[in-house]
Amino acid sequence: EDQVTQSPEALRLQEGESSSLNCSYTVSGLRGLFWYRQDPGKGPEFLFTLYSAGEEKEKERLKATLTKKESFLHITAPKPEDSATYLCAVQAVGSSGGSNYKLTFGKGTLLTVNP
Amino acid sequence: DVKVTQSSRYLVKRTGEKVFLECVQDMDHENMFWYRQDPGLGLRLIYFSYDVKMKEKGDIPEGYSVSREKKERFSLILESASTNQTSMYLCASSLRRGAQYFGPGTRLLVL
Repeated sequence: EDQVTQSPEALRLQEGESSSLNCSYTVSGLRGLFWYRQDPGKGPEFLFTLYSAGEEKEKERLKATLTKKESFLHITAPKPEDSATYLCAVQAVGSSGGSNYKLTFGKGTLLTVNP
Repeated sequence: DVKVTQSSRYLVKRTGEKVFLECVQDMDHENMFWYRQDPGLGLRLIYFSYDVKMKEKGDIPEGYSVSREKKERFSLILESASTNQTSMYLCASSLRRGAQYFGPGTRLLVL
C-alpha cells in the first residue's frame, strides 16, 4: 500500500526565515510526486510535479526537490502570504488502467508565516 | 487555465435526503475524482472516473454513488445522507497521468 508522511504537521516561521517541509513516501514504483498548496476553505492548488530523483522545480520562493525516498519543499525568505497548508501526493505505477491515475495524499503541513 | 467548478459552496441537508453534488471541468480531461476532506484524516478518495461512463471505487465508496454521462461532468450522489457524511467535498480532474486540478469545494452539513 502506498504511503505518504509529511512533517512537521505544523510549522511557524517569522517572515524571512527560510525552512523546509518534508514528504516521505513508500510506493512500489513512483510515477510522479505532486505538491499542492491549500488555503483555508478552498480546494488544493497545484504547484509542482517531480518525476525522478534529482529533479528540482522552482516557483517564486518555493523549490521542490526529490530523492528516491522523500521530497522537500524549500521556502526561501517566506512572506505572510505563503501561509497555507502544503500537501504532497504520489502517483504510483499501477497494475490496471484506473489505478494508474490515483494520487495518495499526505495529511499536509500547516505553515504559518508571521510578519 | 484549468477550471473545475462545483455546483454549491455550502449545502445543508437533512438526514435521509438524497444529495447531488455536481462538478464540471472545461479542459477536456479524461479523469475526474471525488474526495472528501476531514480534519485529521486528510483527503480521501471516494470514487473516480477515467472515461465517460467508466467509474471505479476509491478508498471510501460506502454510502456514495457517482454518475458520468458526459466527459465534462461528474456527479456525486449521497443515496441517503447521514450525519457522518458532513464534510468538505472536493472534485478534481486530470489528463491521464498528470496533475489533478481541484474545484473550490462544497462544504456539506447533514443535520
